[in-house]
Amino acid sequence: DAEITQSPRHKITETGRQVTLACHQTWNHNNMFWYRQDLGHGLRLIHYSYGVHDTNKGEVSDGYSVSRSNTEDLPLTLESAASSQTSVYFCASSEYTRTDTQYFGPGTRLTVL
Amino acid sequence: GENVEQHPSTLSVQEGDSAVIKCTYSDSASNYFPWYKQELGKRPQLIIDIRSNVGEKKDQRIAVTLNKTAKHFSLHITETQPEDSAVYFCATSQGGSEKLVFGKGTKLTVNP
Repeated sequence: DAEITQSPRHKITETGRQVTLACHQTWNHNNMFWYRQDLGHGLRLIHYSYGVHDTNKGEVSDGYSVSRSNTEDLPLTLESAASSQTSVYFCASSEYTRTDTQYFGPGTRLTVL
Repeated sequence: GENVEQHPSTLSVQEGDSAVIKCTYSDSASNYFPWYKQELGKRPQLIIDIRSNVGEKKDQRIAVTLNKTAKHFSLHITETQPEDSAVYFCATSQGGSEKLVFGKGTKLTVNP
């Protein structure tokens, strides 16, 4: 079955280290999104992509970057991890039609010490 | 940018009662309004959605109503069951785009 996966599911790292979170979908969806989820803030958009080689900043993009080299993957990189980036990160994807449903991955819990 | 207000932040009901969660939004160009359910430690999952050309949509015990004039939409759960306990998020499409803006969530507890 087609699906969306994230890895790792849990990660502990130290301040200042570079961290990459993987997101992979097999639906052939054009649109992919990264969110972070924190208590009291709901889901906030970090970066998103509408297709290969397309990337865009969301509302909380500082300290994060993404690249889209193929349809299936949108890795999220924390260039220099900070304690404020301790969070649960969700990847999502949707088809290339307007206002379509977003399907979420299982999430990655990241702790920055 | 788009702002989505969701109320209440917590809701406790007795099994069998109804639950209503309301969201208001600011962007008149929004035309897609999904609701997601997130159980503890799990991913958000779509439970129902409505598009701007429809005022109400039902799926068994769940319904969503939309008032575009007043810029608000609501989730209604009837005959609640303990397994309905979760955090529910509303969302709207930002500027009619594929981006979604989420409310901060409502923690629903259904007491047996």
